[in-house]
Amino acid sequence: AQTVTQSQPEMSVQEAETVTLSCTYDTSESDYYLFWYKQPPSRQMILVIRQEAYKQQNATENRFSVNFQKAAKSFSLKISDSQLGDAAMYFCAYGETNSGYALNFGKGTSLLVTP
Amino acid sequence: DAGVTQSPTHLIKTRGQQVTLRCSPISGHKSVSWYQQVLGQGPQFIFQYYEKEERGRGNFPDRFSARQFPNYSSELNVNALLLGDSALYLCASSFDGPGETQYFGPGTRLLVL
Repeated sequence: AQTVTQSQPEMSVQEAETVTLSCTYDTSESDYYLFWYKQPPSRQMILVIRQEAYKQQNATENRFSVNFQKAAKSFSLKISDSQLGDAAMYFCAYGETNSGYALNFGKGTSLLVTP
Repeated sequence: DAGVTQSPTHLIKTRGQQVTLRCSPISGHKSVSWYQQVLGQGPQFIFQYYEKEERGRGNFPDRFSARQFPNYSSELNVNALLLGDSALYLCASSFDGPGETQYFGPGTRLLVL
């Protein structure tokens, strides 16, 4: 089974600063996709960003961008100009394009944003 | 457009009882997936259904079952509840299945006493 590892249980960032959350994954597949989801205290899982493995260009969504290193099997999330509303659990998830139905999630990183 | 909806929001049961959780996908989405999220962990995949057929199953016992209806809504059933079944149960919908982004509902929080 594919595994997703988030090595940072907790991270802290000051408002307006930049923070990077790490994620590594293990797979033998070449065609897959990766996500970052945000889960605030309300527990609703919200999609932050998506990256297809075949795309070399890193995905960006406003203040959120990823650094996708396919050879290293690394998929980090950069949050720029951090806001208080960014405080949440962030989960990295892996899914396969052709044969997989499940998303495999990491254990999450708790992000604290301080004023 | 309405997002994924789930009912009930909270539920308290005792060991040995049975529970049914419900999910309505985003309009136009044909696939529904169920996940279990234990406190402090990431979600774990339970089932995926597409066009009323089971398309994937995670490593969960047979006490867990699900079905999908013609309107693409879905139910998750858990029999003979154990204390360890206490968790947040998340439903996610997608247009098709593999390769499609899954959008999550707010979840049902189940407490087994």
